[in-house]
Amino acid sequence: DAKTTQPPSMDCAEGRAANLPCNHSTISGNEYVYWYRQIHSQGPQYIIHGLKNNETNEMASLIITEDRKSSTLILPHATLRDTAVYYCIVRGRGSNYKLTFGKGTLLTVNP
Amino acid sequence: DTGVSQDPRHKITKRGQNVTFRCDPISEHNRLYWYRQTLGQGPEFLTYFQNEAQLEKSRLLSDRFSAERPKGSFSTLEIQRTEQGDSAMYLCASSPEGTFTGELFFGEGSRLTVL
Repeated sequence: DAKTTQPPSMDCAEGRAANLPCNHSTISGNEYVYWYRQIHSQGPQYIIHGLKNNETNEMASLIITEDRKSSTLILPHATLRDTAVYYCIVRGRGSNYKLTFGKGTLLTVNP
Repeated sequence: DTGVSQDPRHKITKRGQNVTFRCDPISEHNRLYWYRQTLGQGPEFLTYFQNEAQLEKSRLLSDRFSAERPKGSFSTLEIQRTEQGDSAMYLCASSPEGTFTGELFFGEGSRLTVL
């Protein structure tokens, strides 16, 4: 699976959009980009995933660049409850049934 | 609650003792995973079951670790002769049968402290 690079921490004001970047410059054509988050003392929670196209669900939007070498997770209106560690993960078809987590980005939403 | 359930949530033990964690996955999920997470790190894959078959074990899973899923439902993770380095959060996750979409459903974890 391709390696991902994320900033260790970010801050965001409550009510504003949080934009979390992820670099995956070695991603190959059949690898998906996943985002999970982990609120303190809880298990990770799936947010969204995508291959090439931008994706949106009730939690967030995922913007993948045209060359697929980077992506951005967007939380449109961050709340205090969005404070968590956000993990960007790339999964290939070879790793059929597991995900490899990095250290992620600690997003702190401030009042 | 129909989520992944783990028990106990917290365990404090002395070095050298054995501990066992239990995971009850979401009922219709045939895939079950164990991960370990130490402070400041992301979760690390330990092992994977499809029904009762253990299909992969990480090199992190030393001989002191054993996981079972005897009837393809709940799973146990046992650590024998615990060491201080085993102190971590042990996370269980499950996913449904069929094409693996990458969406895992995690429990809240079992935190182990070895004194």
